[in-house]
Amino acid sequence: QKEVEQNSGPLSVPEGAIASLNCTYSDRGSQSFFWYRQYSGKSPELIMSIYSNGDKEDGRFTAQLNKASQYVSLLIRDSQPSDSATYLCAVNDNYGQNFVFGPGTRLSVLP
Amino acid sequence: KAGVTQTPRYLIKTRGQQVTLSCSPISGHRSVSWYQQTPGQGLQFLFEYFSETQRNKGNFPGRFSGRQFSNSRSEMNVSTLELGDSALYLCASSLGVGMANEQFFGPGTRLTVL
Repeated sequence: QKEVEQNSGPLSVPEGAIASLNCTYSDRGSQSFFWYRQYSGKSPELIMSIYSNGDKEDGRFTAQLNKASQYVSLLIRDSQPSDSATYLCAVNDNYGQNFVFGPGTRLSVLP
Repeated sequence: KAGVTQTPRYLIKTRGQQVTLSCSPISGHRSVSWYQQTPGQGLQFLFEYFSETQRNKGNFPGRFSGRQFSNSRSEMNVSTLELGDSALYLCASSLGVGMANEQFFGPGTRLTVL
């Protein structure tokens, strides 16, 4: 059973701080990794994808991947109250056969 | 560019009935995946279609089925509804299949089974 794990939270950070969201996965064959944001009552929205070890930056968001440790993270710099949402980590294998979501981490950014 | 559309947005059914949900992917996208989301189980994969063929299926009973048409639109059907089928059903589309398979979600269909 391929698994993706995340701390359910809630993770609370003050406005302007860096929020760090973590995700681990069990399948060593996993090759592509995605972060989605889901506001309450809405559908998931793709934030970033990452395929290679290291960091990938997009605006205030940075995804970090370490395949050896089977670990992917999302950093949100200068957190805003509008970033308050559930963040879902998703992992896909090399053949696109399995797209597995983690349970999500609820982030609360306090004004 | 229009996003993924799902109809209907809300449904109320009673136990034992069946339901059909529809999904229209982003123009040019050929892969459609379906997910069930509940507070207790999170986002659970139902099935994936590409070029009218089911490529992958999650761990759901046979009451859950789907299909894809030549224009990439997809439908899923749930027969003999149970109370536990109450959930948000999400459709996601992607250009194709494979490693860089970015999926984009529709707004979902909220199904309530009474």
